[in-house]
Amino acid sequence: IAGITQAPTSQILAAGRRMTLRCTQDMRHNAMYWYRQDLGLGLRLIHYSNTAGTTGKGEVPDGYSVSRANTDDFPLTLASAVPSQTSVYFCASAAREGGYNEQFFGPGTRLTVL
Amino acid sequence: GQNIDQPTEMTATEGAIVQINCTYQTSGFNGLFWYQQHAGEAPTFLSYNVLDGLEEKGRFSSFLSRSKGYSYLLLKELQMKDSASYLCAVRDSNYQLIWGAGTKLIIKP
Repeated sequence: IAGITQAPTSQILAAGRRMTLRCTQDMRHNAMYWYRQDLGLGLRLIHYSNTAGTTGKGEVPDGYSVSRANTDDFPLTLASAVPSQTSVYFCASAAREGGYNEQFFGPGTRLTVL
Repeated sequence: GQNIDQPTEMTATEGAIVQINCTYQTSGFNGLFWYQQHAGEAPTFLSYNVLDGLEEKGRFSSFLSRSKGYSYLLLKELQMKDSASYLCAVRDSNYQLIWGAGTKLIIKP
């Protein structure tokens, strides 16, 4: 692995189903983030984690949950998917919060909820 | 509320110069980022400003005025591969990034 990976690349999901989007980074970054990107809107933060074992809510956390059991992995779970969760989901990581620490993005997961 | 404004779309000619503006109103300021995003791809980092002034990096430069809540990204010697969306993001007092909707830049030969 080089950088940050996400799986699956794309998914079509029936409403009401549970879904976990996976994110793994090998850069030993402390901070990780989940965003959704919708047409005409900026990236919106769903959840974040400043270090392994801690998580926080972003701008649009409802309907989503995360865990950070170790440094490398930061899965995002949709407990019961709804059509409004149709979006492109990006995972990102940064060496640490703050400072000159740009966020590196994974390739994204395109999710369609029908 | 927090707000980042940038033009929705701009068009420029190959070889020319283009300036993409970004204005912001956020709860606190801890730096401003510019990212480039090609269609269907992830955003990639271009520049970071935390102090007033101009930061130059090859063909790309970014300017910041904190008192005016204003930044711009300047792209020189435009190439076709510069056709992309350019995202402005401000790190607020909670050290979270607030993102603009992005400016789609179309380069014409």
